[in-house]
Amino acid sequence: GAVVSQHPSRVICKSGTSVKIECRSLDFQATTMFWYRQFPKQSLMLMATSNEGSKATYEQGVEKDKFLINHASLTLSTLTVTSAHPEDSSFYICSARVRGSGYTFGSGTRLTVV
Amino acid sequence: GENVEQHPSTLSVQEGDSAVIKCTYSDSASNYFPWYKQELGKRPQLIIDIRSNVGEKKDQRIAVTLNKTAKHFSLHITETQPEDSAVYFCAASDEGNTPLVFGKGTRLSVIA
Repeated sequence: GAVVSQHPSRVICKSGTSVKIECRSLDFQATTMFWYRQFPKQSLMLMATSNEGSKATYEQGVEKDKFLINHASLTLSTLTVTSAHPEDSSFYICSARVRGSGYTFGSGTRLTVV
Repeated sequence: GENVEQHPSTLSVQEGDSAVIKCTYSDSASNYFPWYKQELGKRPQLIIDIRSNVGEKKDQRIAVTLNKTAKHFSLHITETQPEDSAVYFCAASDEGNTPLVFGKGTRLSVIA
């Protein structure tokens, strides 16, 4: 089946630094990648949608200058959390639609900002 | 945009009993309704899904029903087991180039 590989699985960074999360589609071309954030004991909330070769669209309340999304190829989408702060600590997960097969998810990234 | 409501937020059942989780959605264009089980710190795991051209789907102890007129769908787990304890999410999309919209989740506890 269609697989999205997400890295890193866990990252701890200092406040003020930036962290890049990668999602790579391994056996299919993902023209669109959805990025979600999940705080403890909460649901998955859509942050943004990345489209290959064009600008990402962000959900209301998500700062596009803080959460930089790049989708430079059909198999790679990245999310960079810039100037991270403790309140950005969360579980970040990407997802892509697979035609005829629903959606596939990356394994998630647990970000802890200290 | 789509809005998905899910109830209850927590559910405790005795082992062997049935569990039912209900969701409603708002966008009549939605036609794909998956259910996910999520363990702590893991990705959501698809357990069953249904599309709007059917009203019910079953897979062993798990079944999903869909009422498009009323815009609601439900997850039914029969003969619950302790390993069914987890957080369950419903979701909806129109299966175009659009994301899944998730409900808030139900924490199911199966008591042995």
